[in-house]
Amino acid sequence: DVQLVESGGGLVQPGGSLRLSCAASGLPFSTYDMYWVRQAPVKGLEYVSGITNNGGRTYYANSVKGRFSISRDNSKNTLYLQMGSLRTDDTAVYYCAKSSTGGPDYWGQGTLVTVSS
Amino acid sequence: EVVLAQSPATLSLSPGERAILSCRASQSVGSYLAWYQQKPGQAPRLLIYDASNRASGIPARFSGSGSGTDFTLTISSLEPEDFAVYYCQQRSNWPFTFGPGTKVDIK
Repeated sequence: DVQLVESGGGLVQPGGSLRLSCAASGLPFSTYDMYWVRQAPVKGLEYVSGITNNGGRTYYANSVKGRFSISRDNSKNTLYLQMGSLRTDDTAVYYCAKSSTGGPDYWGQGTLVTVSS
Repeated sequence: EVVLAQSPATLSLSPGERAILSCRASQSVGSYLAWYQQKPGQAPRLLIYDASNRASGIPARFSGSGSGTDFTLTISSLEPEDFAVYYCQQRSNWPFTFGPGTKVDIK
């Protein structure tokens, strides 16, 4: 079974940093593009970042460009999101998701990031 | 950025009824439109991809249609487990975007 398990969320002050991880199992991780998608409390869904299967290309939402950095370690089957200069409006559940032919088909359970003083 | 609008915001129906959900894009996305279902406390679940293809394990009562800027998700006969929020999502252009969602609740 495909499993994606996020970790690293928590409470951080505005301006602070946090690194999220997503451990993948049950799939040939290195063959898939991966994404981070977030959902603010009682809000809709927003793509934050994406990365190609070999890490050669990365993509960012305008709202996080220059502050967040996506990476992956295919030898460890792990996806990362380094978040910096965090703002209160970055508060959300962050999901990692695996790409498929038609869009992300497997999602993790999410990790909550709360930015507050 | 492609903006997706969904209507209605809320759909109140009874089990067994047909649900028709709409999604309109601010510019053509071709057929690169997917539909997701989300229940409280859960991650989204892929239902339909590329406008009309059911994802693996999705029941036949779910169907999608449309292309360009106008899309529809139809649930032919609502089951109790279908009451949830439904999002459309485009992957034609980065940033991929979601619509604001349609909540299907029990009448």
